[in-house]
Amino acid sequence: DAKTTQPPSMDCAEGRAANLPCNHSTISGNEYVYWYRQIHSQGPQYIIHGLKNNETNEMASLIITEDRKSSTLILPHATLRDTAVYYCIVRPIYNQGGKLIFGQGTELSVKP
Amino acid sequence: DTGVSQDPRHKITKRGQNVTFRCDPISEHNRLYWYRQTLGQGPEFLTYFQNEAQLEKSRLLSDRFSAERPKGSFSTLEIQRTEQGDSAMYLCASSRQAQGDGELFFGEGSRLTVL
Repeated sequence: DAKTTQPPSMDCAEGRAANLPCNHSTISGNEYVYWYRQIHSQGPQYIIHGLKNNETNEMASLIITEDRKSSTLILPHATLRDTAVYYCIVRPIYNQGGKLIFGQGTELSVKP
Repeated sequence: DTGVSQDPRHKITKRGQNVTFRCDPISEHNRLYWYRQTLGQGPEFLTYFQNEAQLEKSRLLSDRFSAERPKGSFSTLEIQRTEQGDSAMYLCASSRQAQGDGELFFGEGSRLTVL
């Protein structure tokens, strides 16, 4: 079962920052927070992941609260192509299988 | 393109027929995963392989479903005696065995419609 809670949908204006929240209040110390997104009719795509510290890459930034019970994915300048379903996933560090357990995600609509 | 490829992309079949999907992972990836996704839901894990060994199967994988990865490269997912409830997108993903944070690369999926 998914261990995260996300709002089902959000809107964002093109060019503005999109801030997608995720609650993972039962996360343990040996679990990562991962974000994937799925554009319509495509497979999910990796965005970013983190353990304790905030992370940034060319796609997004991940802000994890100090108690690790929640996080926010930030798309700094959203474009129409960022319209997708965004999945926040908790994944054990020592997951021998490496599988991901998806919830229902947040459907982000970027509007002109 | 060296990504994960799936074939066919779309399949329409009649109830009771058998269907088979193929997945070609990224060449150096030794792990391969199958997921199923229905409309409005996130992908659901079905099974995964490490090389040719099938190491985990979800309870979603009924006895009508069988997956193989005979030489540790490509994989097939067969559904026997299809039912309308099998209509879904079947996604394949691969990864390189890592320390626990290996990224999964997904294909674009095979969409099954059972009439």
